[in-house]
Amino acid sequence: DAKTTQPPSMDCAEGRAANLPCNHSTISGNEYVYWYRQIHSQGPQYIIHGLKNNETNEMASLIITEDRKSSTLILPHATLRDTAVYYCIVRDSGTYKYIFGTGTRLKVLA
Amino acid sequence: NAGVTQTPKFQVLKTGQSMTLQCAQDMNHNSMYWYRQDPGMGLRLIYYSASEGTTDKGEVPNGYNVSRLNKREFSLRLESAAPSQTSVYFCASTTQGGYEQYFGPGTRLTVT
Repeated sequence: DAKTTQPPSMDCAEGRAANLPCNHSTISGNEYVYWYRQIHSQGPQYIIHGLKNNETNEMASLIITEDRKSSTLILPHATLRDTAVYYCIVRDSGTYKYIFGTGTRLKVLA
Repeated sequence: NAGVTQTPKFQVLKTGQSMTLQCAQDMNHNSMYWYRQDPGMGLRLIYYSASEGTTDKGEVPNGYNVSRLNKREFSLRLESAAPSQTSVYFCASTTQGGYEQYFGPGTRLTVT
């Protein structure tokens, strides 16, 4: 079973920040948080990952709470092309298994 | 680089038929994965290969077999297809201990 809980859907206005929450209350100390997205029916695309510190790259920012039980993916200026299903995944650094949940369907509105 | 390639792109099988889905990557990655995605659902891990010569079961391995032919190639075989195996199948690869999985374009399989 997926170790994460995400809202099934969200809307965001184009140009605004999209904040996608993820709950991972049972996360353990050596588990990383990963975010992927899947546009239409393509293969998923890696966005970002983190362990405990906040992370930022050219696509997004990842904010992890101090207790690590939840995180938020931030797309700072959402565009129509960001419409996709976003998956939050928790993975132990010692395993090769990625367990995807059902994700959040983000719709960016013009 | 082509990245991760999958063949075929589409396939229709009758119940009981067998087939092999092919996956290859040209990124010199050690680990490879097979997932299935049913309509409106997330991805579920079928099998994975941490490195050449090893394979392990994922969440939903029943009805499937895999072969890690070499470092580049990881195939998925359905010995006796069932309608419940109608799905989109994705192959992925990553460096050993790597953080980013690279996915192929998928194979859309229908079993009638």
